[in-house]
Amino acid sequence: ETGVTQTPRHLVMGMTNKKSLKCEQHLGHNAMYWYKQSAKKPLELMFVYNFKEQTENNSVPSRFSPECPNSSHLFLHLHTLQPEDSALYLCASSQADTQYFGPGTRLLVL
Amino acid sequence: EDQVTQSPEALRLQEGESSSLNCSYTVSGLRGLFWYRQDPGKGPEFLFTLYSAGEEKEKERLKATLTKKESFLHITAPKPEDSATYLCAVQEPKGAGSYQLTFGKGTKLSVIP
Repeated sequence: ETGVTQTPRHLVMGMTNKKSLKCEQHLGHNAMYWYKQSAKKPLELMFVYNFKEQTENNSVPSRFSPECPNSSHLFLHLHTLQPEDSALYLCASSQADTQYFGPGTRLLVL
Repeated sequence: EDQVTQSPEALRLQEGESSSLNCSYTVSGLRGLFWYRQDPGKGPEFLFTLYSAGEEKEKERLKATLTKKESFLHITAPKPEDSATYLCAVQEPKGAGSYQLTFGKGTKLSVIP
């Protein structure tokens, strides 16, 4: 266990559904991240939050909407996704330069 | 253009057969180089951070080294439980408080008993 938990671990959704991914860190870190991991591609950074403020949005489509209510919790709200959005979504947190990852949510969009 | 390139993409070793994984990078002003291990269906697990050329770090059968252009992850006498995908990531200077990583595609290591 790394101290970063993600729920749900698996999610299947239709293109018209709305769902949310949740991440919680128990490490007292101030920064949290969302990554997308697709087969044969490197991890892609999506969003960065530092002390609850969004500091990075790597040109992510608006159908992905992050929310960071406090330094311990991070959400990724999903709506009208496309099949190509199917991937492993990873959350990470850091205090300094080392990022610690959660187990990920495996998302399948039908 | 890829900033982080890992080779080989896949590597099969017999148990006890030592080898090395390579990570080459083309960023300017490297802030840190990170190695992670990822098992199927799980998130990456932190292994090492290297900050300057010539630095080495060791953990059990793994040793990471860093030069100005690349890093190696040496695996000595590997065991089947070392089978995983090994990810390399580089950190470039960004704004204050921002520690963003750029990852390579990884090397999938299989150790055969």
